[in-house]
Amino acid sequence: AQSVTQPDIHITVSEGASLELRCNYSYGATPYLFWYVQSPGQGLQLLLKYFSGDTLVQGIKGFEAEFKRSQSSFNLRKPSVHWSDAAEYFCAARSLSQGNLIFGKGTKLSVKP
Amino acid sequence: DTEVTQTPKHLVMGMTNKKSLKCEQHMGHRAMYWYKQKAKKPPELMFVYSYEKLSINESVPSRFSPECPNSSLLNLHLHALQPEDSALYLCASSHYNEQFFGPGTRLTVL
Repeated sequence: AQSVTQPDIHITVSEGASLELRCNYSYGATPYLFWYVQSPGQGLQLLLKYFSGDTLVQGIKGFEAEFKRSQSSFNLRKPSVHWSDAAEYFCAARSLSQGNLIFGKGTKLSVKP
Repeated sequence: DTEVTQTPKHLVMGMTNKKSLKCEQHMGHRAMYWYKQKAKKPPELMFVYSYEKLSINESVPSRFSPECPNSSLLNLHLHALQPEDSALYLCASSHYNEQFFGPGTRLTVL
């Protein structure tokens, strides 16, 4: 069965520092991959998506992610974190059998001044 | 119109009440989804409608009853809920491989 793993439950970074959130997926073929952000009490906002082609994808708010087939990874990066980036981040893959999204457990990002 | 709307935004109900959640999209998407999200957890799939027919029910208790009256509208009827059903209920519609989420309805069951 398809699954998405986010190894880090909680990450704290200093404002202005770089960020990398890890995501691994389990499926042989190339999945459709997404990163979402969710602020407390809010819905999900799509940051970026990967379907095919260039393995480095750019998203909103200065985020990017790189798809690495050899490592089954789709890590999210940002060169300089802002305090407003503090939120929960979910990596997701589209289920090939049902069309819904399969989510990782999420990584909570805290930003310290 | 490129968004999914959900009403109400917040809902508080007792265990004996009957209420409904509403989801609407006018993007022509033919697949629509209900997800349930508990605090500090990822969204979990509840139901999938494809071309207005229920295609997937993820073993959801019968106190949750979905309905798709037309291609733009998705309802979730609630009856005799339990306090543990308190959660954020997210609706989504999909176009090819991408899902568009609504803002959610935050449900509290007393």
